[in-house]
Amino acid sequence: QVQLVQSGAEVKKPGSSVKVSCKASGDTFTYAISWVRQAPGQGLEWVGGIIPVFGAPTYAQKFQDRVTIGADESDESTRTAYMELSSLRFDDTAIYYCAREIPGYARGAFDVWGQGTTVTVSS
Amino acid sequence: EIVLTQSPGTLSLSPGERATLSCRASQTIRNSYLAWYQQRPGQSPRLLIYGASNRATGIPDRFSGSGSGTDFTLTIRLEPEDFAVYYCQQYGSSPFTFGPGTRVDIK
Repeated sequence: QVQLVQSGAEVKKPGSSVKVSCKASGDTFTYAISWVRQAPGQGLEWVGGIIPVFGAPTYAQKFQDRVTIGADESDESTRTAYMELSSLRFDDTAIYYCAREIPGYARGAFDVWGQGTTVTVSS
Repeated sequence: EIVLTQSPGTLSLSPGERATLSCRASQTIRNSYLAWYQQRPGQSPRLLIYGASNRATGIPDRFSGSGSGTDFTLTIRLEPEDFAVYYCQQYGSSPFTFGPGTRVDIK
């Protein structure tokens, strides 16, 4: 049973960067991982995703210039995906989720979710 | 970008009743690549339906999805634990987009 465990809450200043990690356990890292965010009291927004074994990420155009998504699978104990968002603004305050895309299926449907990481941008 | 509209915004029903949630897309969703998620307060979203009508692993059969093209429906025979917010999401084209959600409240 795959579980995704994310790093802890972050408080950042406007203009700085944040890096959120997502550690996978229970399975090989052959599936795609996406990042989805949710601003306070708002809906869900896809940020981008990656298939770790292939390495090439895809991003929503809205975040293209500010986000980097990657994965580290140097050994089985460190199957970790990450999302780094730069030039932070107040409206980047949100819960950021990592989510697994259904293996062996079309990209973009998310069957396992991390617990979420709260990122607060505050001066 | 495909824009999803969900209706109604809020649905107030009692346990045992049937909830019918609608999701309409601004353009045809390729291959009916439409998913439904449930989100309870303070929790991560949970996949219910993918491919418009396929229940995800472990999802009870009181949840059912239907539709194609631009119009999709989630139907729920309500149990007490089903009162939550429901989101539709399309993954037929990038960027993957979500609807604004329908809140199902206890009447």
